Amino acid sequence: GNSVTQMEGPVTLSEEAFLTINCTYTATGYPSLFWYVQYPGEGLQLLLKATKADDKGSNKGFEATYRKETTSFHLEKGSVQVSDSAVYFCALGSSGDKLTFGTGTRLAVRP
Amino acid sequence: DVKVTQSSRYLVKRTGEKVFLECVQDMDHENMFWYRQDPGLGLRLIYFSYDVKMKEKGDIPEGYSVSREKKERFSLILESASTNQTSMYLCASSSLTTGSYQETQYFGPGTRLLVL
Repeated sequence: GNSVTQMEGPVTLSEEAFLTINCTYTATGYPSLFWYVQYPGEGLQLLLKATKADDKGSNKGFEATYRKETTSFHLEKGSVQVSDSAVYFCALGSSGDKLTFGTGTRLAVRP
Repeated sequence: DVKVTQSSRYLVKRTGEKVFLECVQDMDHENMFWYRQDPGLGLRLIYFSYDVKMKEKGDIPEGYSVSREKKERFSLILESASTNQTSMYLCASSSLTTGSYQETQYFGPGTRLLVL
């Protein structure tokens, strides 16, 4: 079946540091890949997505590239801010528009 | 702006009680979903619905049922609440695109349920 594996947190960084959160997947067919973010006390919201191999999704300074050869969709940001502190979920879009989520990675950014 | 609302942010219930969690979306989405979120387990799909009066089991449907009488409303029912159903419950909706896995899901703020 489909599965998503993402790095365990928490990840703690200083402001302006470089961020990478790893995500790898297992899937049949050609899934879409997503990063969702959950700010404290809120539901999840879409951060970015990519629908086919070699696509790059980007939003708010975050980027992720759909790498079919390595089955990966790592999230990166060049310079994090305190306001980026949140839980980040990698997800895979499978048949019937269902999503398979990773376990989430908590990011804490120190001033 | 898509809006998904959930009836309660926090709920405390006793073991054996029947619990109703309500979700309403205002974007005329066909698909609606119920997840539970637990530390270290991420989000797990309980039930989903593609249309009014239609429902499909997700990965962990045991102990839950759902109701979708109107397109905009999707209810999750715990027939007899148990302590292992203490969790954060998230509702989501998306539009239906036949044969596509690309549609974004829009989430409500969640209901944190404590079963004593």
